[in-house]
Amino acid sequence: KNEVEQSPQNLTAQEGEFITINCSYSVGISALHWLQQHPGGGIVSLFMLSSGKKKHGRLIATINIQEKHSSLHITASHPRDSAVYICAVIINNNNDMRFGAGTRLTVKP
Amino acid sequence: DSGVTQTPKHLITATGQRVTLRCSPRSGDLSVYWYQQSLDQGLQFLIHYYNGEERAKGNILERFSAQQFPDLHSELNLSSLELGDSALYFCATGQNPYEQYFGPGTRLTVT
Repeated sequence: KNEVEQSPQNLTAQEGEFITINCSYSVGISALHWLQQHPGGGIVSLFMLSSGKKKHGRLIATINIQEKHSSLHITASHPRDSAVYICAVIINNNNDMRFGAGTRLTVKP
Repeated sequence: DSGVTQTPKHLITATGQRVTLRCSPRSGDLSVYWYQQSLDQGLQFLIHYYNGEERAKGNILERFSAQQFPDLHSELNLSSLELGDSALYFCATGQNPYEQYFGPGTRLTVT
């Protein structure tokens, strides 16, 4: 079993819909990143979380350390949000990193 | 544009060869991570340096090595290349170990 599980694997939404992508992990972590990878290949770190909730524009990320779960929400989704979203954790005893397999989001106009 | 640069953008080489990938950080960034992204394995963490010292090692093969130089640029050396080493190689830098500003990546093709 992968130490970092993301769901769903693929997601298609209509423009304007509320999107939720989930990440569950089975290891102790010091931090969690949500990454966005566009079709061109470039990667952007959207959020780094160690507790609670962060918001940036239409994006919200939450983490529950006790439940070992994080969610990424996109409000009022737009076609330009179409990308692969990847959850990455920094393991807290050795600073190793593990990645989820990614969620491919397609937002249709 | 993150401000992190990677050279070269593309590299095509033959099996058995050795290549060096370079990562230039944003000004002031002390931390550098290297990642490999292949089609069948997704993103994998290779190695992390902070202010010239190795801080963490991931799934890095013995044929691969990395360095962070005094001017804080970093190089990833890949030797005895195999077909399976074909992948996108990213570096990500930041002022602290938790920041991740990704470079555009180097696409390595081993033929």
